[in-house]
Order: sequence, then C-alpha cells, then structure tokens
Amino acid sequence: QSALTQPPSASGSPGQSVTISCTGTNSDIGDYNYVSWYQQHPGKAPKLMIYEVSQRPSGVPDRFSGSKSGNTASLTVSGLQAEDEADYYCSSYAGSNGWVFGGGTKLTVL
Amino acid sequence: QVQLVESGGGVVQPGRSLRLSCAASGFPFSPYGMHWVRQAPGKGLEWVALISNDGSKKYYSDSVKGRFTLSRDNSKNTLYLQMDNLRPEDTAVYYCAKQGFCSDGVCYAHHFDHWGQGALVTVSS
Repeated sequence: QSALTQPPSASGSPGQSVTISCTGTNSDIGDYNYVSWYQQHPGKAPKLMIYEVSQRPSGVPDRFSGSKSGNTASLTVSGLQAEDEADYYCSSYAGSNGWVFGGGTKLTVL
Repeated sequence: QVQLVESGGGVVQPGRSLRLSCAASGFPFSPYGMHWVRQAPGKGLEWVALISNDGSKKYYSDSVKGRFTLSRDNSKNTLYLQMDNLRPEDTAVYYCAKQGFCSDGVCYAHHFDHWGQGALVTVSS
C-alpha cells in the first residue's frame, strides 16, 4: 500500500484538461512544500514534470501545472495531447521517513 | 546532458548479495546527493536510499535498512548500492536518480531530478 493516495486511472479527450489528485498526511504533503510529479511511459524511466508543488523544470510544457491544498496535491494537464498518455506518480518529502510516492495514475487520452 | 547508467542487475537467490553501480556523466557529480528508487514489476515507485554529496550521510527506507549499503566514488563519478540478504520482495527495477539541482546559488533538493534507465534485480530460487 502506497503512502500517498492517487486514483488508479484518469482520462480525457485531446484538448481537454484533466486533474490528478494525490492525498497524503500532515507528515508529508501537509507539512512540506516538496511535492513533485513524474511521468512514466511504458518501459521507460520516470521523468520529472513538477517540483516543489508547482515549479516546472525547463523543457516541460506549460500545459502541466501543480498545486496543493492542505494534505492534497494536484497535477493538471491542460490541452491534452496523445503523448501525454502515461503513468503519473506524485511524491512528497516526508522528513525522517525520507520520500514517499503515490501508487500512480494511468492517464488515458481518449 | 545528464546521463545515469545503472549496471549490475541480474537473477540472484534469496539470501545472496548483489551490487549495483550507477555511472554518472554530463553534470558535476560531487556536489549532488544521489538516490536509489525501485519499482517492482507492474507496481509503483518506492524510495530506497539517499547518499549525500560527499558520502558522509546515508538514509535508508525501513524496508532495506540493515541489508542495503550505499557508497559513492566521486573520483569515478559512480554510485553503488550493495544489497545483502536479498528477499523475493526486493525484486524490482532499481533506478538511480540525481538529487535535485542547483541554479544561481540556490539548490532545490527535494525531488528526483534525472533518472537512469534502471537495472532489473530478480530474487528467486
């Protein structure tokens, strides 16, 4: 059982927006602004999409955005494109427990 | 261009040992901490361990503490993970990952910045 809770699946049509939630506790997401999100295509390594809740690394399209409220973080993908279809994982720093991940959300572009 | 290449994976019997290596290039290795993260077949990601930039501090998840040991050789730009007393539940793809990045004198250290392609470790009799 993963420390952070994500919905197993999400979907949207090309051009639409989809939001993936990630729920933790007061010991991880609620205590630190160190939530990050990773995209993983089948058979590939994860790729950083968002760090420190809402920061985008260079090269990541601005269609990807992150936010946080209380113990829940969210990743929004706007203007869905076919290449966005992948698994998405959230992660949070958890102090003395190191880092925790969500179970992953499979995003399908219909 | 950051490149991380893991090696040393394979099939090993329960109770035996294995050592993974991660060769880094394309960035200054010595200023950065390095993580190991694993992914069991068909499952999600699990943080395993972190070593500080100079190797003086090491942090482990409860699931591997006392069995896995991190080390690094900054002269060779290489990270190591010594895995002892392996269990079937350690079966996974093991990724090394760079600890964040620094820019304009500010460091952002609480995420996994770049990842290697992974090394598969299978623990089975």
